[in-house]
Amino acid sequence: GNSVTQMEGPVTLSEEAFLTINCTYTATGYPSLFWYVQYPGEGLQLLLKATKADDKGSNKGFEATYRKETTSFHLEKGSVQVSDSAVYFCALSDPNTGNQFYFGTGTSLTVIP
Amino acid sequence: DARVTQTPRHKVTEMGQEVTMRCQPILGHNTVFWYRQTMMQGLELLAYFRNRAPLDDSGMPKDRFSAEMPDATLATLKIQPSEPRDSAVYFCASGFGVRAHEQYFGPGTRLTVT
Repeated sequence: GNSVTQMEGPVTLSEEAFLTINCTYTATGYPSLFWYVQYPGEGLQLLLKATKADDKGSNKGFEATYRKETTSFHLEKGSVQVSDSAVYFCALSDPNTGNQFYFGTGTSLTVIP
Repeated sequence: DARVTQTPRHKVTEMGQEVTMRCQPILGHNTVFWYRQTMMQGLELLAYFRNRAPLDDSGMPKDRFSAEMPDATLATLKIQPSEPRDSAVYFCASGFGVRAHEQYFGPGTRLTVT
């Protein structure tokens, strides 16, 4: 079946530190992969995506590369800011149905000045 | 700036009462999803629709929950009767196309059942 496993949190970093949030997946086919971000009191927002192997998604300084060989889609940012404090969700969409999304449990990030 | 809207944003009700949550998807989107978020379970898919037809509602407790799309601009999620364990944030999301690769989430309805 399909599933997403992401790094347990919470993660606390100092401003300008390097961020990695690990995400691995299990899928029956060739999924599309996503990172969503949820700020306090808000819904999830799409941060970036990759639809095929070796694609790199990027947005707002965040990057993630779709690695089929390691079934991973780790989120990285070279220098985090206080405003990046949020919960980050890794997700995949099942290509067989095209509609079914599978979300990870979320990783809470707090960036301190 | 097109957004998914949800009403109400907050709802406090007593056990046994009916609760109705509403969602207006982004105009032109043909896929609508309902999710529930709790600290214990995380984000759970309850149901989703494409072109107003329900495609999957296996995540929903059928005895008390129901989801409908009376028209393309309105999706509803009802709980009757509500129970304290239904307390959660309920999100609606919409997307476009068969694959609906990108889902756009509403701000959520925070439900508290006492």
